Amino acid sequence: EPEVTQTPSHQVTQMGQEVILRCVPISNHLYFYWYRQILGQKVEFLVSFYNNEISEKSEIFDDQFSVERPDGSNFTLKIRSTKLEDSAMYFCASSGARGSYEQYFGPGTRLTVT
Amino acid sequence: LAKTTQPISMDSYEGQEVNITCSHNNIATNDYITWYQQFPSQGPRFIIQGYKTKVTNEVASLFIPADRKSSTLSLPRVSLSDTAVYYCLVGDTGRRALTFGSGTRLQVQP
Repeated sequence: EPEVTQTPSHQVTQMGQEVILRCVPISNHLYFYWYRQILGQKVEFLVSFYNNEISEKSEIFDDQFSVERPDGSNFTLKIRSTKLEDSAMYFCASSGARGSYEQYFGPGTRLTVT
Repeated sequence: LAKTTQPISMDSYEGQEVNITCSHNNIATNDYITWYQQFPSQGPRFIIQGYKTKVTNEVASLFIPADRKSSTLSLPRVSLSDTAVYYCLVGDTGRRALTFGSGTRLQVQP
């Protein structure tokens, strides 16, 4: 069964550093998403991406965040200058059919900012 | 998106049927009802989606009454591996972002 993959599984970085989280969505999917989950809290939507542009973003997704689909397979989330409060599990997801509510989530990247 | 209310936690034993009810009084005409499952340290996983009446797949059944103000996720004969958090989401299929609440933490005991 096709699956979304994410690398790395765990990233430790110092406050103020830039990090790039990588995702490989399911190959024929067209919609891509990033979510995050702070330990013990809800899963929060960050951004959705379609047709090489952001289609929706939340208040969390400020100027420190950016997304990119640099080639036909990868989808990245960059945090320019990490803060302690960025420590969370970051999930990438993808979906195929327009209007489908079924999103396929990756295993996540645990980001620890020290 | 319609606000949803579901129990914070539920306990069950292996082999029992578990029913988790979600209230969504303000559901809109275009809204679908979707359930996701999340194991610790993993991403949410789609379980089932429905609009009205009953939907069944290999994992669960979803019961939606005629007024659509609530829905019930039914897990037949649960096992220890069904211990997870279950989320009820309600929204317009045209909306892309999923809004997760706190979910229902299901603990299955041997």
